[in-house]
Amino acid sequence: GNSVTQMEGPVTLSEEAFLTINCTYTATGYPSLFWYVQYPGEGLQLLLKATKADDKGSNKGFEATYRKETTSFHLEKGSVQVSDSAVYFCAGNAGGTSYGKLTFGQGTILTVHP
Amino acid sequence: GAGVSQSPSNKVTEKGKDVELRCDPISGHTALYWYRQSLGQGLEFLIYFQGNSAPDKSGLPSDRFSAERTGGSVSTLTIQRTQQEDSAVYLCASSLGGRWADTQYFGPGTRLTVL
Repeated sequence: GNSVTQMEGPVTLSEEAFLTINCTYTATGYPSLFWYVQYPGEGLQLLLKATKADDKGSNKGFEATYRKETTSFHLEKGSVQVSDSAVYFCAGNAGGTSYGKLTFGQGTILTVHP
Repeated sequence: GAGVSQSPSNKVTEKGKDVELRCDPISGHTALYWYRQSLGQGLEFLIYFQGNSAPDKSGLPSDRFSAERTGGSVSTLTIQRTQQEDSAVYLCASSLGGRWADTQYFGPGTRLTVL
């Protein structure tokens, strides 16, 4: 079946530090890949996505590249801010006839200190 | 514009009671999804509606769980004879279509506590 493995946290960084959160996936076919973010007290919202190999998704200074050869979609940001403190979820859909379902990683709690 | 809305935001019930959770998707979105977020299991897919097609119920954990979508819009998730392990945040999402690249937009969730 399909699965998403996400680097477990929590991750604690100082402001302006570099961030990487690893995500790898296992799927039949070629899924679309997503990063969702959940800020404290808020709902899940899409951060970025990529729909095919070598695509790079980017938003709010975050980037992730869909690497087919390593089946990875690692999230990066060059300089984090306190406001980036949140829970980050990597997700992929199944492709084929089950493309409606998203499979999520376990989530990574990020805390950024001033 | 208006996002996905869910009601109630919180629900506390006693073990063995039935509960109904409601989801109003974004207007014009043809696909609707239910997920469950719990500490032990993370985010799990429950059920998926796409237009007039038969729903994908493959994620429902037991026959106590059911969902319907009336008129291609509002959806209700029903849990019968609730158990303590049903305690979780139930999330609804919608997307413009059910295509593989479509973004799913999530509602704020309903926090269910079964005593």
